[in-house]
Amino acid sequence: EVQLLESGGGLVQPGGSLRLSCAASGFTFSSYAMSWVRQAPGKGLEWVATVSGSGGSTSYADSVKGRFSFSRDNSKNTLYLQMNSLRVEDTAAYYCVKDRPYCSGGTCAWGQGTMVTVSS
Amino acid sequence: QSALTLPRSVSGSPGQSVTISCTGTSSDVGGYNYVSWYQQHPGKAPKLMIYDVSKRPSGVPDRFSGSKSGNTASLTISGLRAEDEADYYCCSYAGTYTFLFGGGTKLTVL
Repeated sequence: EVQLLESGGGLVQPGGSLRLSCAASGFTFSSYAMSWVRQAPGKGLEWVATVSGSGGSTSYADSVKGRFSFSRDNSKNTLYLQMNSLRVEDTAAYYCVKDRPYCSGGTCAWGQGTMVTVSS
Repeated sequence: QSALTLPRSVSGSPGQSVTISCTGTSSDVGGYNYVSWYQQHPGKAPKLMIYDVSKRPSGVPDRFSGSKSGNTASLTISGLRAEDEADYYCCSYAGTYTFLFGGGTKLTVL
């Protein structure tokens, strides 16, 4: 069974930093691209970033480019989202997603999310 | 990176059919057969209902179907049931390894 367990969320002041982690199990981790998708309270889904299976290629939404950094450690089956220069508008539940968010092949999976609150 | 356009809300009575349209551009929905649909109940993670425009993951009832014409993708739910009441999102590949979601549609089963 695929399991994705996010951690690292919490309360941070504007301009601060936070690192999210996602521990994956139940599938061949290095064979899949992985993504982060966020959802602000009462709002819709927003793609944040995607990393290739090898970790050699990443892509980011314009809203986080230059501030967020997405990496993976295939030896630990773990993802990391380093979030710097956080803004109030980054407040959201952050979901770890197996595969690209459009889920071609139908084998994607989502974690339960970790909440990030940016507030003074 | 503009969000895909979805109606804010749709509604239908049990047993009826509803269709939710997701409008993009030739750079996203119209340019690729990489459109998916998610269902999200309050407080829950999204659940994949349709991928690659019209394919259903195992376990998703065949009451859910997807299609695409030009820059618009559609999700049709037939034989509406109370448990179908949820928020629905479309997602599309938008080229150069970027992805877009629609703003979400609230489905109310009357």
